[in-house]
Amino acid sequence: NAGVTQTPKFQVLKTGQSMTLQCAQDMNHNSMYWYRQDPGMGLRLIYYSASEGTTDKGEVPNGYNVSRLNKREFSLRLESAAPSQTSVYFCASLETGKLGEAFFGQGTRLTVV
Amino acid sequence: RKEVEQDPGPFNVPEGATVAFNCTYSNSASQSFFWYRQDCRKEPKLLMSVYSSGNEDGRFTAQLNRASQYISLLIRDSKLSDSATYLCVVSRSGGYQKVTFGIGTKLQVIP
Repeated sequence: NAGVTQTPKFQVLKTGQSMTLQCAQDMNHNSMYWYRQDPGMGLRLIYYSASEGTTDKGEVPNGYNVSRLNKREFSLRLESAAPSQTSVYFCASLETGKLGEAFFGQGTRLTVV
Repeated sequence: RKEVEQDPGPFNVPEGATVAFNCTYSNSASQSFFWYRQDCRKEPKLLMSVYSSGNEDGRFTAQLNRASQYISLLIRDSKLSDSATYLCVVSRSGGYQKVTFGIGTKLQVIP
């Protein structure tokens, strides 16, 4: 009964490096989301995927790309990390038809130096 | 204006006290409302849904006022374990399930 699994939990990158955050859910949810959470800013949507094969920009997409590999997996890629991308990243999935009842991964604490 | 607004706090209350949080939302098309709880350095988790008729879950009561566009969370007989950040969440459909989080209200229950 894993729910939403997110990896890695911690990561330190140098400016300009790239990395991919992985997310997988086993609840057969159609919708998946990537958020970042910064002090005083709350959770801000980076990208979302309403269904397998579709992705769209959220509120703060610049510097990120995503891939909905299949119904289970939704990855977030930083092509060239910047210090402004230092944040806590959360992946979430939603049960179809239940607006807002989101299930979250444990988060990735990313520091870009 | 932010779509969902909350007082970030912190609210420092003694054990056993009653505390209430409010949250306002700006989009009248919002359809569903929730309170999430987030412990320090953890992921948010659903605390309870908020219905127009109001709903109660043990010491927690949530209410929705559509006319004034706000939701509230009341915690009675506060416990130390209630210390956390409480996120107001508003959602609606519109091509996808648009879910908007407030910045959260921090509660610290003091012995």
